[in-house]
Amino acid sequence: DIQMTQSPSSVSASVGDRVTITCRASQDITTWLAWYQQKPGKGPKLLISATSTLQSGVPSRFSGTGSGTDFTLTISTLQPEDFATYYCQQASSFPLTFGGGTRVDLK
Amino acid sequence: EVQLVESGGGLVKPGGSLRLSCVASGFEFSAYAMNWVRQAPGKGLEWISYISASTDRILYADSVKGRVTISRDNAQKAMFLQMNSLRAEDTAVYYCARSANSGLDPWGQGTLVTVSS
Repeated sequence: DIQMTQSPSSVSASVGDRVTITCRASQDITTWLAWYQQKPGKGPKLLISATSTLQSGVPSRFSGTGSGTDFTLTISTLQPEDFATYYCQQASSFPLTFGGGTRVDLK
Repeated sequence: EVQLVESGGGLVKPGGSLRLSCVASGFEFSAYAMNWVRQAPGKGLEWISYISASTDRILYADSVKGRVTISRDNAQKAMFLQMNSLRAEDTAVYYCARSANSGLDPWGQGTLVTVSS
């Protein structure tokens, strides 16, 4: 199975800050990497697929980069509605696996 | 609107069974593969099962293999998860999610399964 390691596990930030979350795969997944946002009591929402493809309706302040084993999700200017938990997920092979999550909360 | 709605969760004793349902609307259900993903209380996401659009490919996580069965009814736009021999560690919110765009989208709101005596 492909292990996904996400860091940090939590980050405290202020509105307007730039936030970067990293995700590392235990083996090469080329660009088969997705990012999700989850708010309390809700199902996850797909933000980015194939490493860098922003889903329809997702603000352009979200961006994704990387390839192979190392990937990054960046929120360029944090907004109040962005406080949530973020997960990466590899889509290269089954079983699909997720990173442990990064909680973004208010400093 | 593309939507998935899960149901069937509840409180069950260890060793018991439950059947979860996921009803789809707003898209051509029969054209998409589907998945079940669970989240234990306060924990991360764990994929547990996949079913292709035509049901010719079915996959399970090792953690549930032999105890759960995924199925779908394309005419009813529904997917199911039959869960047997439930354990305390199966306690989680269970989400259904559509395979799309090399990710899972959308997800339902989830249904809570609690395994406890």
